[in-house]
Amino acid sequence: AQSVTQPDIHITVSEGASLELRCNYSYGATPYLFWYVQSPGQGLQLLLKYFSGDTLVQGIKGFEAEFKRSQSSFNLRKPSVHWSDAAEYFCAVGAGTNAGKSTFGDGTTLTVKP
Amino acid sequence: GAVVSQHPSRVICKSGTSVKIECRSLDFQATTMFWYRQFPKQSLMLMATSNEGSKATYEQGVEKDKFLINHASLTLSTLTVTSAHPEDSSFYICSAQGLAEQFFGPGTRLTVL
Repeated sequence: AQSVTQPDIHITVSEGASLELRCNYSYGATPYLFWYVQSPGQGLQLLLKYFSGDTLVQGIKGFEAEFKRSQSSFNLRKPSVHWSDAAEYFCAVGAGTNAGKSTFGDGTTLTVKP
Repeated sequence: GAVVSQHPSRVICKSGTSVKIECRSLDFQATTMFWYRQFPKQSLMLMATSNEGSKATYEQGVEKDKFLINHASLTLSTLTVTSAHPEDSSFYICSAQGLAEQFFGPGTRLTVL
């Protein structure tokens, strides 16, 4: 069975500082990996996804993620955080290119200090 | 990008009543839509997969007679929570399958008194 672990429930960073959100997955085959952001009371917006190829994936809003098979990780990074990045972030792993049947992590809440 | 809407965005109902939530893909056709439930500070839990013109596929532990799903057209899926109880209070999110990715609706906050 597939599973996703986001070890950090809550992270606080200062505006302008760098950010890394951790995601570890368990999956028997080649995983399809996603990162989503959710603002309060809103649905999810896809930040980026990895299916194959280059293990460093660029996404929207200046985010990137690196797939490390040896560590079963897909950590999300951003070099300089903006106050508008404060939100809930979800990592997901699935069997296909569409995330519909994916398993989601429990999320990481990001707070940005001025 | 593609847009998925949900209606209503917020609903409060009395225990024992039924509530219908609509999920629409506004600028594309979606043969498959998904319904999720999200508890506060928790992740999304897939409830069911809604296929246009056929019966929905429910995840294990989800009561299909309580959570009725209808996908009558390529742009509309509905979730009806029948005989709602306070424990059904939650945030319900739908998503529609596009060509290359899922597009999520903004969610519906259901509160059952």
